[in-house]
Amino acid sequence: GESVGLHLPTLSVQEGDNSIINCAYSNSASDYFIWYKQESGKGPQFIIDIRSNMDKRQGQRVTVLLNKTVKHLSLQIAATQPGDSAVYFCAEAGNRLDAGKSTFGDGTTLTVKP
Amino acid sequence: KAGVTQTPRYLIKTRGQQVTLSCSPISGHRSVSWYQQTPGQGLQFLFEYFSETQRNKGNFPGRFSGRQFSNSRSEMNVSTLELGDSALYLCASNEDQGLGGYTFGSGTRLTVV
Repeated sequence: GESVGLHLPTLSVQEGDNSIINCAYSNSASDYFIWYKQESGKGPQFIIDIRSNMDKRQGQRVTVLLNKTVKHLSLQIAATQPGDSAVYFCAEAGNRLDAGKSTFGDGTTLTVKP
Repeated sequence: KAGVTQTPRYLIKTRGQQVTLSCSPISGHRSVSWYQQTPGQGLQFLFEYFSETQRNKGNFPGRFSGRQFSNSRSEMNVSTLELGDSALYLCASNEDQGLGGYTFGSGTRLTVV
């Protein structure tokens, strides 16, 4: 069968390396997905979103991949920098109009070593 | 453009008291959502308001309530505080409903003793 990345509560990478953060979502009916970044002492910050009619979406240094078959989402960060150190959450919603009541995942703490 | 402003930043209350938290969304944003964040439960949805109407409510007891004013500012109230209500309460706003994600404030850290 197809293998997907496991969700890890923590991830440590070297500066300059690429990071991959995984998320398994729960509701097969979810149509809209968002990645947020939360730095210490701050609220979550929007990174990138994707709708279920897409498999991949790219932003600046970030790429989100969606695998609806296995209900898996991943966030790839290219050339990770120390400023990327934070907790990353995936969030799912029935559709974009329901984004205000998103269900958040457990979060992955990314630490970037200089 | 000012971000989402939450006041106060920190609050200490005693069990049994009530508390009101305030949120000023980004100017022009009409949707406001509230979340509770704790180490054990993570981020959990409380309620969502759009144009002064509660659109959705999460699975929290009736002690948790909220409202939105005509200028889109929002307040949430927790009555008869319990120790387990200690958490970071986050408010988030969006221009319309959803697309582009929500912009979060820095939260109000509530400690119940």
